[in-house]
Amino acid sequence: QVQLVESGGGVVQPGRSLRLSCAASGFTFSTYAMHWVRQGPGKGLEWVAVISYDGTNKYYADSVKGRFTISRDNSRNTLSLQMNGLRAEDTAVYFCATGGGSYYNGYDIWGQGTMVTVSS
Amino acid sequence: EIVLTQSPEFQSVTPKEKVTITCRTSQSIGSSLHWYQQKPDQSPKLLIKYASQSFSGVPSRFSGSGSGTDFTLTINSLEAEDAATYYCHQSSSLPLTFGGGTKVEIK
Repeated sequence: QVQLVESGGGVVQPGRSLRLSCAASGFTFSTYAMHWVRQGPGKGLEWVAVISYDGTNKYYADSVKGRFTISRDNSRNTLSLQMNGLRAEDTAVYFCATGGGSYYNGYDIWGQGTMVTVSS
Repeated sequence: EIVLTQSPEFQSVTPKEKVTITCRTSQSIGSSLHWYQQKPDQSPKLLIKYASQSFSGVPSRFSGSGSGTDFTLTINSLEAEDAATYYCHQSSSLPLTFGGGTKVEIK
């Protein structure tokens, strides 16, 4: 069964850090580009970051550049998002998603999301 | 950054009625446009990829068209289960971007 399962969300104070994980199963993870997409409370979808299938290339939205780091461990079929310097505007449900080996495919596989709340 | 403008933002529709949602992009993206359906407290689901290709398992009442800067998602004969928010998404260039969403309510 093709599946993505996020974890690591929670409540964190502004300026602190949090690390999200996404466990993949049911497909050949090491051949898929992987994305993080977020959705603020009552808001639309926002692309956050993408990493190539081999981890060589990474790209970020301007809103998180320099604060967030995307990474992957193909031996453990796991995607991660290290979030530093968190701000209130980072409060959102974070989804991992993929559409295959290219960055430019539509996302046919999504996780269920993990909630991050940045609040003092 | 390519900006996607969806319209309308909200639509209240009677069952069996036809629904048309448009997505306009700030620059030409060929056919690199995808459509998703999201129901409350669920993750989005892919409906249409590359403007007009139906994703596997999606009911045939959903169809997509367009290219360049103007795209359309059509739901023929709306069913109660189609109540959701619909998003367009461009994958022509980074940063990838989404439209603001169209909420479809069943009357």
